[in-house]
Amino acid sequence: SQKIEQNSEALNIQEGKTATLTCNYTNYSPAYLQWYRQDPGRGPVFLLLIRENEKEKRKERLKVTFDTTLKQSLFHITASQPADSATYLCALPMGAIYNQGGKLIFGQGTELSVKP
Amino acid sequence: DAGVTQSPTHLIKTRGQQVTLRCSPKSGHDTVSWYQQALGQGPQFIFQYYEEEERQRGNFPDRFSGHQFPNYSSELNVNALLLGDSALYLCASSYRDRGEQYFGPGTRLTVT
Repeated sequence: SQKIEQNSEALNIQEGKTATLTCNYTNYSPAYLQWYRQDPGRGPVFLLLIRENEKEKRKERLKVTFDTTLKQSLFHITASQPADSATYLCALPMGAIYNQGGKLIFGQGTELSVKP
Repeated sequence: DAGVTQSPTHLIKTRGQQVTLRCSPKSGHDTVSWYQQALGQGPQFIFQYYEEEERQRGNFPDRFSGHQFPNYSSELNVNALLLGDSALYLCASSYRDRGEQYFGPGTRLTVT
C-alpha cells in the first residue's frame, strides 16, 4: 500500500538558517504533492502544490523540489524565523490522475523549531 | 471572505454515545472532506462529499457517516463512540477537482 514518510525527529535550527524537510513515498506515482503547515491545535494550512512535471517551485522564502525518480520531495525554508516554528506535513492525492482530486494521504509531519 | 468553519470547537462524550460535527466550507467551494487526526499523527481521510454524495471513503467503519447539504455544508456523524475515537476532527473544503484543500480549525472530540 502507499506509504509516506517524513523526518520523525523534530528539527531544531537557528534563526536565519535554511530548514530542509524531507518527504519520501513508496508504491505510488502521484500526479502532484502538497505541503501544509500546522500549528498546535489548529487545522493545516495549504502552502504549496508541485506537479509531477515540475522539478521545483518557489513561494517567497519557501522552495519545494519533487524528484519522481527518487520518490522524494524536499521542502526548504530560507532565512528561517521563529514564526516558522510549526509542524509541516506533506500530502499526496489518492489517485494518479490530477483531476480526481480530493482524498489526500498525509505524512506524520515534521516539527520544526526555529530558535532566535 | 469566510474560511472553513467548524462547530463545536470542543466536545466531550461518553462511550457508546453518538456525536454530530458540522462544517461550513469556504465561500465558492463545493467539495468537503473529513479527516481524523490523532495526537502526533498526520490527518487520516474519512470521506469526501461532492454534490451531496459520498465520493470517496477511507478505511473507517460504518459507524462514521456523513451528509452534505444543498448549500455545501456538511455533517459528520459517529455512532457507538469508542475511546479510540478521541481525536481532532478536521473538515477541509475545495473546489471540484482542485488539489489544494482549505482546512477548518477542527473539533476536538474526547470520549470518556
